[in-house]
Amino acid sequence: AQKITQTQPGMFVQEKEAVTLDCTYDTSDPSYGLFWYKQPSSGEMIFLIYQGSYDQQNATEGRYSLNFQKARKSANLVISASQLGDSAMYFCAMREGPGGNDKIIFGKGTRLHILP
Amino acid sequence: DGGITQSPKYLFRKEGQNVTLSCEQNLNHDAMYWYRQDPGQGLRLIYYSQIVNDFQKGDIAEGYSVSREKKESFPLTVTSAQKNPTAFYLCASSTLAGGHYNEQFFGPGTRLTVL
Repeated sequence: AQKITQTQPGMFVQEKEAVTLDCTYDTSDPSYGLFWYKQPSSGEMIFLIYQGSYDQQNATEGRYSLNFQKARKSANLVISASQLGDSAMYFCAMREGPGGNDKIIFGKGTRLHILP
Repeated sequence: DGGITQSPKYLFRKEGQNVTLSCEQNLNHDAMYWYRQDPGQGLRLIYYSQIVNDFQKGDIAEGYSVSREKKESFPLTVTSAQKNPTAFYLCASSTLAGGHYNEQFFGPGTRLTVL
């Protein structure tokens, strides 16, 4: 069974609109972490935002915020005021496992296209 | 500047040859990782290492080997036993914080093509 599910293979959004990229996860570990990465066409993976399972508030980093709904096991990425440079692949990932023995599992990604 | 370097950027290999991909980091990170990415897919973990002279298999280790003789370096060898090695290979590193390895920092990747 997939541990990280990204149901939107591709999205087209008008520039300056807000974007929500979906991510659901599956774990029985009470301590876990959730990440979002951006991969432009150059191929490099760029870390965007992190949410710990015990964090009380949703993470925010500039135009990025993570809508963390623990009971639903969802960790959607919200990009406000989208820009042309936001066009890229976006990956949701989860760290699980006891401290010091962590692995990160990646979803299959969502390709975001920002339209001028 | 601190970061992760991978070389070469593009690599071509004939069938039956072993090839080694380089990964170096100057972030003083303890853990290093190798991932494989196929077109339109997410990343799959090949090997990882949390300490010098020790490493663990990831989800798709068959046909690959690694070494971790120095903290800064984690080379990956793609052997002839790897049946379908054409892919994009990404190296990453991370450090312990609060008892966990948190966000991973990635290198620019190596695109391997088998001719």
